[in-house]
Amino acid sequence: EVQLVESGGGLVQPGGSLRLSCAASGFTFSSYWMHWVRQVPGKGLVWVSCISPDGSSTTYADSVKGRFTISRDNAKNTLHLQMNSLRAEDTAVFYCVGVGTWGQGTLVTVSS
Amino acid sequence: DVVMTQSPPSLPVTLGQPASISCRSSQSLVHSDGNTYLNWFLQRPGQSPRRLIYNLSNRDSGVPDRFSGSGSGTDFTLKISRVEAEDVGVYYCMQDIHWPYTFGQGTKLEIK
Repeated sequence: EVQLVESGGGLVQPGGSLRLSCAASGFTFSSYWMHWVRQVPGKGLVWVSCISPDGSSTTYADSVKGRFTISRDNAKNTLHLQMNSLRAEDTAVFYCVGVGTWGQGTLVTVSS
Repeated sequence: DVVMTQSPPSLPVTLGQPASISCRSSQSLVHSDGNTYLNWFLQRPGQSPRRLIYNLSNRDSGVPDRFSGSGSGTDFTLKISRVEAEDVGVYYCMQDIHWPYTFGQGTKLEIK
């Protein structure tokens, strides 16, 4: 069974940093593009970033470019999202997405 | 960015009756490989999104055959042949051919 389990969310002050992780299992992680998608509670879905199977290619939404960095560790079947210079408008549930499957999400709250 | 426009925003349906959701993209989603990169997701209350349909009309594993996707170019439709109680939630279309990937604003299906 394909599983994606996010961790690392929490409360952070504006300007702070957080690192999200996503543990993948049940499929050949190193063969697939992986994505982060976010959702403000009660609102719609917004694609954030993605990374190629070998990690050599990454793409970001304009709203996070230069502040967020996506990476992966294929030896550990883990996806990461390093989030710096966080803003109140980054508050959302962040989902790890791959092979058509979504994790349960991790809530990031940016507030003083 | 490609704008995905869904209608209607809200869809009250009687159990056992059909339902239809429309999605329109501001650019063609047809790739040179012949595929149309249009997906449909369902987010049930309190849950993560789940992909139902990929590449226009392919049902994901475990998705009931009462769900079908169709369309071409820039106009797409998700049809449910007979709505069941478990179909309640918000439906999103999403394109994954143009960066950044973009979602429709969602259609909330409820039972009358």
